[in-house]
Amino acid sequence: DSGVTQTPKHLITATGQRVTLRCSPRSGDLSVYWYQQSLDQGLQFLIQYYNGEERAKGNILERFSAQQFPDLHSELNLSSLELGDSALYFCASSVWDRSFSGNTIYFGEGSWLTVV
Amino acid sequence: TQLLEQSPQFLSIQEGENLTVYCNSSSVFSSLQWYRQEPGEGPVLLVTVVTGGEVKKLKRLTFQFGDARKDSSLHITAAQPGDTGLYLCAGDAGGTSYGKLTFGQGTILTVHP
Repeated sequence: DSGVTQTPKHLITATGQRVTLRCSPRSGDLSVYWYQQSLDQGLQFLIQYYNGEERAKGNILERFSAQQFPDLHSELNLSSLELGDSALYFCASSVWDRSFSGNTIYFGEGSWLTVV
Repeated sequence: TQLLEQSPQFLSIQEGENLTVYCNSSSVFSSLQWYRQEPGEGPVLLVTVVTGGEVKKLKRLTFQFGDARKDSSLHITAAQPGDTGLYLCAGDAGGTSYGKLTFGQGTILTVHP
């Protein structure tokens, strides 16, 4: 158990719909990351928040948005869903590791989204 | 755009055999991480390598970071069925990109009893 909690674990929805994925980071972690994993693209970085502020953006579609709330939980909103959006969406949080001056990143178990 | 080329994509071996997975890039990374992922679960961190030429051992797993910090390898000795899974390398560019990982495509390892 990484300590990162994601809900829901599975979600089936129709094209054109909107869904919200929720993430609670590990206790004390200020950074939250969202990644998308699909068969053809592998694991791709979407977006990062740090203490409520957007820190970095990856290949996130305009139809997707995210935010991090004051209690540090985060939500990823996916709208106008297309079949190609079917994927595993992972949330991760990180802690600064002084031993190598970098972030150690912990992944949640993911939310499996199927668009039909 | 930083890319990580991971090979082989698939590996099917018998219990007791040795194997090596490679992770190569034309870019320099401040650190490189290896993860193992099982079906229905998130990637689990195995190791982080930081220094060029660094070698880290985790029981039967040996991780190496290239001198130029552009490539890495994972060697498993005497593989066991419990080693079966998806192995992913991921590079952290560092600087303002700390924590934004670039992942390789992964190696699906199957170890047959």
